[in-house]
Amino acid sequence: QQQVKQSPQSLIVQKGGISIINCAYENTAFDYFPWYQQFPGKGPALLIAIRPDVSEKKEGRFTISFNKSAKQFSLHIMDSQPGDSATYFCAASRGGVDTNAGKSTFGDGTTLTVKP
Amino acid sequence: GAGVSQSPSNKVTEKGKDVELRCDPISGHTALYWYRQSLGQGLEFLIYFQGNSAPDKSGLPSDRFSAERTGGSVSTLTIQRTQQEDSAVYLCASSPRGSGLETQYFGPGTRLLVL
Repeated sequence: QQQVKQSPQSLIVQKGGISIINCAYENTAFDYFPWYQQFPGKGPALLIAIRPDVSEKKEGRFTISFNKSAKQFSLHIMDSQPGDSATYFCAASRGGVDTNAGKSTFGDGTTLTVKP
Repeated sequence: GAGVSQSPSNKVTEKGKDVELRCDPISGHTALYWYRQSLGQGLEFLIYFQGNSAPDKSGLPSDRFSAERTGGSVSTLTIQRTQQEDSAVYLCASSPRGSGLETQYFGPGTRLLVL
């Protein structure tokens, strides 16, 4: 059972456009929702993250929108640039210093291509 | 400062052989995680270490997979009698304390190809 569903699988956007990637989760115990950016041959790097007590978080050109009642969250990349071309993963985890802390779940990823 | 390092960066092996993958966490990080990333898939949790003990091994896909951590630092993931479906990128992450993703830093991964 996949606990986080991510869409679309791939996305092509023109330079300067807005890239939108969506994720839906099932487990209401999750309390931390990060987005990762991964370039080929590299490990995932944390891009931006949100907790369910806020509906939106913005860092530069990157914004997370969070809808707790719908159990959905999305990543918006404004003014998309060719350098943003990468694979983006959403994830959900439960914090805390216990055995469940490691049981994070990830979406399958979205390959973003920003055309010049 | 140095991040999480993994070795080898790439490994090609024949079906049935054993492989060992190494992870060097960030110095001082007590928690260490192993994940598997298959082609076109998200990350799959394998195992979590707090110090040298593994409170959660539930993600290991079969008894051919094992992991250990010594000295609260380096960890080794061993895959015995490798199968073609084991081909994937194996990622390690470390954290200054056992917690969720919020404090985890990922290494570059080991790309394993089983022929």
